[in-house]
Amino acid sequence: EPEVTQTPSHQVTQMGQEVILRCVPISNHLYFYWYRQILGQKVEFLVSFYNNEISEKSEIFDDQFSVERPDGSNFTLKIRSTKLEDSAMYFCASSDSPQQRGNGYTFGSGTRLTVV
Amino acid sequence: AQKITQTQPGMFVQEKEAVTLDCTYDTSDQSYGLFWYKQPSSGEMIFLIYQGSYDEQNATEGRYSLNFQKARKSANLVISASQLGDSAMYFCAMREDHSSNTGKLIFGQGTTLQVKP
Repeated sequence: EPEVTQTPSHQVTQMGQEVILRCVPISNHLYFYWYRQILGQKVEFLVSFYNNEISEKSEIFDDQFSVERPDGSNFTLKIRSTKLEDSAMYFCASSDSPQQRGNGYTFGSGTRLTVV
Repeated sequence: AQKITQTQPGMFVQEKEAVTLDCTYDTSDQSYGLFWYKQPSSGEMIFLIYQGSYDEQNATEGRYSLNFQKARKSANLVISASQLGDSAMYFCAMREDHSSNTGKLIFGQGTTLQVKP
């Protein structure tokens, strides 16, 4: 079964450093998402991406965040100057339609980001 | 206002018994989708079951069923014959299908389920 691959699985970074979280979505999917989950809390939407541009972003997704699809396969989330409160699990997801039914969203296994 | 509310932070169930995890939602859209995901301690998000707002029958997937009460805006997950491997966090999520919809999912706070032997 096709998978969404996220790398790295765990990243530790110093406060103020830039990090790039990488995702390889399902190859024929067109809609891409990033979500964040602070430890033990709810999963929060960050941003959606379609046709090489951001289609929606939440208030969490401020100027320190950016997303990019640098080539035909990768989808990246960059956090420019990390803060302690950015420590969380970051999930990438993809789908082939914005009105998915059933198991139409595929989530990656997540990147656990720890800011020290 | 919360769009998805899961009022049970933690639940216990005896192995082999059934358990219901509550979820209520709030939307003005006529068309929407409701999802349940399981998150074990390893962290990944595992899809369990889906209910579309226009689906007349309650969804079922093996031991999982979704008790969809549209007028009450509730979408409770029922797990029958609980197993030790069902111990995990469970999230209810909604996708609203309005015209500017990007397909994002809105998640509830989650319910931690522990299955006792």
